[in-house]
Amino acid sequence: GAGVSQSPSNKVTEKGKDVELRCDPISGHTALYWYRQSLGQGLEFLIYFQGNSAPDKSGLPSDRFSAERTGGSVSTLTIQRTQQEDSAVYLCASSLVEGQDYGYTFGSGTRLTVV
Amino acid sequence: GDSVTQMEGPVTLSEEAFLTINCTYTATGYPSLFWYVQYPGEGLQLLLKATKADDKGSNKGFEATYRKETTSFHLEKGSVQVSDSAVYFCALGGYSTLTFGKGTMLLVSP
Repeated sequence: GAGVSQSPSNKVTEKGKDVELRCDPISGHTALYWYRQSLGQGLEFLIYFQGNSAPDKSGLPSDRFSAERTGGSVSTLTIQRTQQEDSAVYLCASSLVEGQDYGYTFGSGTRLTVV
Repeated sequence: GDSVTQMEGPVTLSEEAFLTINCTYTATGYPSLFWYVQYPGEGLQLLLKATKADDKGSNKGFEATYRKETTSFHLEKGSVQVSDSAVYFCALGGYSTLTFGKGTMLLVSP
């Protein structure tokens, strides 16, 4: 597609429920990133996929968080047993190749509210 | 580890005023430096970047110079417009991921 697409744009869930957030990167982009944006906290790196390599999961805050990327394209971020502190905007980005010189293209994000 | 420090906002200016948003960083090696902008309700967009010391990135009237000696990458614009109201993020590039500052909100009034 023309840009990075994320769905849903907004999600309200009850504490303890599981949620799935979807990211559809730009076609042909081999690198895909998930970040979390919390009020006053900037952007927190969560996980990074590059081609067929094992993902860099070093930013995931707990084992309730997981992500997969199927066929090198669409990615799903799953949060199990959601907590109120998980409320944030979850941003996905993709880039043409690995490496910071190329910059990222971000989606509009999914605003998650845990009540 | 790598880190980015930005001035806290909001920065409130009148139209046509001069803008500076300070950004300093801590990193090993020689990272690339970026400014991203987030308009209300939208995702982040790359505004400008610089890949080595003394490089100047520029776009849409905004400029920033990569200063290795002061580990800074301050964002400037000579004359802001109402449409520049947004949140600005400074970031540095590691090997594969970006480290972002907390963002600075800019509010420009007519």
